[in-house]
Amino acid sequence: ETGVTQTPRHLVMGMTNKKSLKCEQHLGHNAMYWYKQSAKKPLELMFVYSLEERVENNSVPSRFSPECPNSSHLFLHLHTLQPEDSALYLCASSQGFSPSYEQYFGPGTRLTVT
Amino acid sequence: GDSVTQMEGPVTLSEEAFLTINCTYTATGYPSLFWYVQYPGEGLQLLLKATKADDKGSNKGFEATYRKETTSFHLEKGSVQVSDSAVYFCALSASGAGSYQLTFGKGTKLSVIP
Repeated sequence: ETGVTQTPRHLVMGMTNKKSLKCEQHLGHNAMYWYKQSAKKPLELMFVYSLEERVENNSVPSRFSPECPNSSHLFLHLHTLQPEDSALYLCASSQGFSPSYEQYFGPGTRLTVT
Repeated sequence: GDSVTQMEGPVTLSEEAFLTINCTYTATGYPSLFWYVQYPGEGLQLLLKATKADDKGSNKGFEATYRKETTSFHLEKGSVQVSDSAVYFCALSASGAGSYQLTFGKGTKLSVIP
């Protein structure tokens, strides 16, 4: 595997379920990001991790819980979601924090909350 | 706060037509500017970037020039191909603290027909 991978690619869950999204980067980067992509809206940055520590939480509801056990893996734990949380969730990584460092994106997980 | 406005889509062009996708921004200081492309079923990929005024980013026949006087970063290509069909996102990264944060436009879907 190369680049940034995400699993699962598609997920359907009920509002009372608990599920997790997984992201893995094979690029040796030390920063990782979660974004939410909703129809007709700009990409929204949710969380940022640098060297396994969270450095940014953009007012995301507590029903989304990120976890970064090491610099290669990032999880997004989901519980008691709402239908408006249905979206494409994108993971990205970068070598560091600077506009000169490109963010590399995974293919995303398409989440549907019923 | 910072914002990016890009032309509404979808845009449909015939193969070999000229492409322009407009992008304007609002930001303090001197942001870096980016165009990302998202092919169907994939994550975002950096297409080109410019980090200072009058810089021209270019890649795969696409070009965009950082115009500070008009706060614009319009994407152009002289002759589009069917393989260019995708969603294009304009984005900026503010200077200074938090410069890893990308602010995205809503995206413009391009369809190129043979």
